[in-house]
Amino acid sequence: KQEVTQIPAALSVPEGENLVLNCSFTDSAIYNLQWFRQDPGKGLTSLLLIQSSQREQTSGRLNASLDKSSGRSTLYIAASQPGDSATYLCAVEGGAQKLVFGQGTRLTINP
Amino acid sequence: EPEVTQTPSHQVTQMGQEVILRCVPISNHLYFYWYRQILGQKVEFLVSFYNNEISEKSEIFDDQFSVERPDGSNFTLKIRSTKLEDSAMYFCASSEERASNQPQHFGDGTRLSIL
Repeated sequence: KQEVTQIPAALSVPEGENLVLNCSFTDSAIYNLQWFRQDPGKGLTSLLLIQSSQREQTSGRLNASLDKSSGRSTLYIAASQPGDSATYLCAVEGGAQKLVFGQGTRLTINP
Repeated sequence: EPEVTQTPSHQVTQMGQEVILRCVPISNHLYFYWYRQILGQKVEFLVSFYNNEISEKSEIFDDQFSVERPDGSNFTLKIRSTKLEDSAMYFCASSEERASNQPQHFGDGTRLSIL
């Protein structure tokens, strides 16, 4: 059974810093990995999707990498801003179109 | 930008009552999903739906749950006889193609509170 873990559970950094969020999964037989942002009381906003054949994806200040063989993904956020404060979730799809989620990393960017 | 919309945003229901949660997926999307998130826990998959039938369901999705696409725009989740443990945030999602090629887009959720 696929298990997804995110470390750290919470992270607080000063504005302007670059940071890395980590995601690991136990079964490397995945179709894709998706990173989401969740604001308090809101839904999930899709940030990046990496297909299993890809190594990384970039969108603006965000860069996500995937190492399927080791069961790891990272989300790199450059030049962090207070508006980046949110919970970041990673999720893997191992088939049957269902996503398996991690617990999330709660990120706080301090002005 | 097109978005998934869910109604109501908050539903309060007595235990044992039936509840219907409603979703309007993005218009050109073909795959639809329901997930739930119990407070403080991970987001969990419930069911996926394609071509007017269930593609996959989790062990959570028992006989008390059903889904329907009653017309060309709505996608509903029905819980027949609610239990206290059904209290959670329920998210609807949709994708244009099979999820391995396209991201799933989520709505803002319905907070279901069972009293």
